[in-house]
Amino acid sequence: QQQVKQSPQSLIVQKGGIPIINCAYENTAFDYFPWYQQFPGKGPALLIAIRPDVSEKKEGRFTISFNKSAKQFSLHIMDSQPGDSATYFCAATTSGTYKYIFGTGTRLKVLA
Amino acid sequence: GAVVSQHPSWVICKSGTSVKIECRSLDFQATTMFWYRQFPKQSLMLMATSNEGSKATYEQGVEKDKFLINHASLTLSTLTVTSAHPEDSSFYICSARDGSGLAYNEQFFGPGTRLTVL
Repeated sequence: QQQVKQSPQSLIVQKGGIPIINCAYENTAFDYFPWYQQFPGKGPALLIAIRPDVSEKKEGRFTISFNKSAKQFSLHIMDSQPGDSATYFCAATTSGTYKYIFGTGTRLKVLA
Repeated sequence: GAVVSQHPSWVICKSGTSVKIECRSLDFQATTMFWYRQFPKQSLMLMATSNEGSKATYEQGVEKDKFLINHASLTLSTLTVTSAHPEDSSFYICSARDGSGLAYNEQFFGPGTRLTVL
């Protein structure tokens, strides 16, 4: 019940394409869902996050779609660029514990 | 703002020695810090949660006597890998939670420390 399932494991898109990464969870107590971007040999960096009272959030080229009833959320990257090539992790947490449960990660490659 | 640093960024040591990794929050007070371990092409695995001034809480399967965590101040936590062995070689990442409550649930991650045990 504590797992966050992330798919796909890897993704290749052309420059300008819109990669979509999906995550699903079981624990309805989760109330904060961040997405992180990680480059090789670096720590994760927060991209965007959402709470379950909102169905969509946009920040620049990054959009989170949240479906509370389906217990799913996804990351969309608009107008993807080669510089977006990285590993993306979704996560979920519950207020009070503040412990993140991470998805398994998606390796994205954007072709020039 | 919300910068977390780690030192060293990489370390190579001989089997049997101990290694200390520092994690600092540079511009905020971190009431809670987290230590993660990441193997190549895998996700982050939470090792332990530490609150300033109290003992760390370790995740199941993590040896507390091998991975000593100290959170002595609101800006510094240390992870000591004792009697390191080659299987301890990994990428260790810390994160910190802003105790002011302004950053809702957000964890700020350090750049990571690459440990190689020969």
